[in-house]
Amino acid sequence: AQSVTQPDIHITVSEGASLELRCNYSYGATPYLFWYVQSPGQGLQLLLKYFSGDTLVQGIKGFEAEFKRSQSSFNLRKPSVHWSDAAEYFCAVGPLGGSNYKLTFGKGTLLTVNP
Amino acid sequence: GAGVSQSPSNKVTEKGKDVELRCDPISGHTALYWYRQSLGQGLEFLIYFQGNSAPDKSGLPSDRFSAERTGGSVSTLTIQRTQQEDSAVYLCASSFTSGSGNEQFFGPGTRLTVL
Repeated sequence: AQSVTQPDIHITVSEGASLELRCNYSYGATPYLFWYVQSPGQGLQLLLKYFSGDTLVQGIKGFEAEFKRSQSSFNLRKPSVHWSDAAEYFCAVGPLGGSNYKLTFGKGTLLTVNP
Repeated sequence: GAGVSQSPSNKVTEKGKDVELRCDPISGHTALYWYRQSLGQGLEFLIYFQGNSAPDKSGLPSDRFSAERTGGSVSTLTIQRTQQEDSAVYLCASSFTSGSGNEQFFGPGTRLTVL
């Protein structure tokens, strides 16, 4: 069964600093990988996704993520964080097709941005 | 176009009462998903519909939980005899199909509080 680990429960950065949120997955083949963001009281918004091809994917709001098969990782990055980026970030894997149609999420990383 | 909508946005109920949560998916999306987001548990998959059929109900936490979908559109999640541990945010998502890698679009959620 697939699983996702986000090692950092809470990260605090200063506005303008760079950001990297870690995500590791467990699955026997190349999965479909997603990063979602959830602002307080809001639903989940897709930031970016990886299906195949170029391992560096660009998303909305200036975010990017790099798929590294050798490390089973899909870390999210942003070169300069804005105060509006404060939110909770979720990495997810799936769906994998056939009878596997659900997303499996990590526990999330809460991002605080200091002025 | 309109996104996924859910109602009510907030629901407070007394232990032992039944509640119904509603989800309106994006028009034309054949697949619909329910997830639960609770403190300490992250996002858990509950049930998935393809059209009006629910191929897999194994994510439902107990037989007090049920869901239906009518007309291939609106879905209702019903919780009978609510318990305090049912308190959570219930998220609905829809996708164009349920095939591999399909992006799921999430609604804002219903926050359920059981007193």
